Amino acid sequence: QKEVEQNSGPLSVPEGAIASLNCTYSDRGSQSFFWYRQYSGKSPELIMFIYSNGDKEDGRFTAQLNKASQYVSLLIRDSQPSDSATYLCAVQETSGSRLTFGEGTQLTVNP
Amino acid sequence: GAGVSQSPSNKVTEKGKDVELRCDPISGHTALYWYRQSLGQGLEFLIYFQGNSAPDKSGLPSDRFSAERTGGSVSTLTIQRTQQEDSAVYLCASSLKPGSGGPNSPLHFGNGTRLTVT
Repeated sequence: QKEVEQNSGPLSVPEGAIASLNCTYSDRGSQSFFWYRQYSGKSPELIMFIYSNGDKEDGRFTAQLNKASQYVSLLIRDSQPSDSATYLCAVQETSGSRLTFGEGTQLTVNP
Repeated sequence: GAGVSQSPSNKVTEKGKDVELRCDPISGHTALYWYRQSLGQGLEFLIYFQGNSAPDKSGLPSDRFSAERTGGSVSTLTIQRTQQEDSAVYLCASSLKPGSGGPNSPLHFGNGTRLTVT
């Protein structure tokens, strides 16, 4: 089992819809969870981080964390074509050192 | 500098040659990471430096790979006797040291070095 798994893509949604991206992790003691966005040919950029159970909202983005179920998700409301990118889930391991990334989910928002 | 700086941005080398990739982290960031990303793939962890602690080298794929960090700042990733499967984008990232017992701070990535082994 991979340490961090993301829902298989690619994911395609119409403009204005809600895009839902999911991620599960294997290390129950993981403490920190991040969502990065990566445009084609570019480096990843941080869009959200969450440390506590529950929801965290930032503009059109909402991160949701459920440590008991070991999953973290990212919702993008009112999706825009500019949101089309690969979204990477990253989890901090218990040791507090390595940050492990999932394979990424490619999102396409169609105008 | 304002961000993480990596050099060179592109490197083409012949199979069997050695290469050095450089990373200059954000000033004040004590944590430094190297990742590798092959085309269409996720980020593969290579190595992690945190202050003066022993680096976490558990992600290095073979003994041809090594990295050092001098003076707690600039880092160099060295690949000896390069192979074609080493072709990838090598990404460096830095972050602040997490608080005692606290979670990591977010990573800030450089623009990467695209390595092509012919």
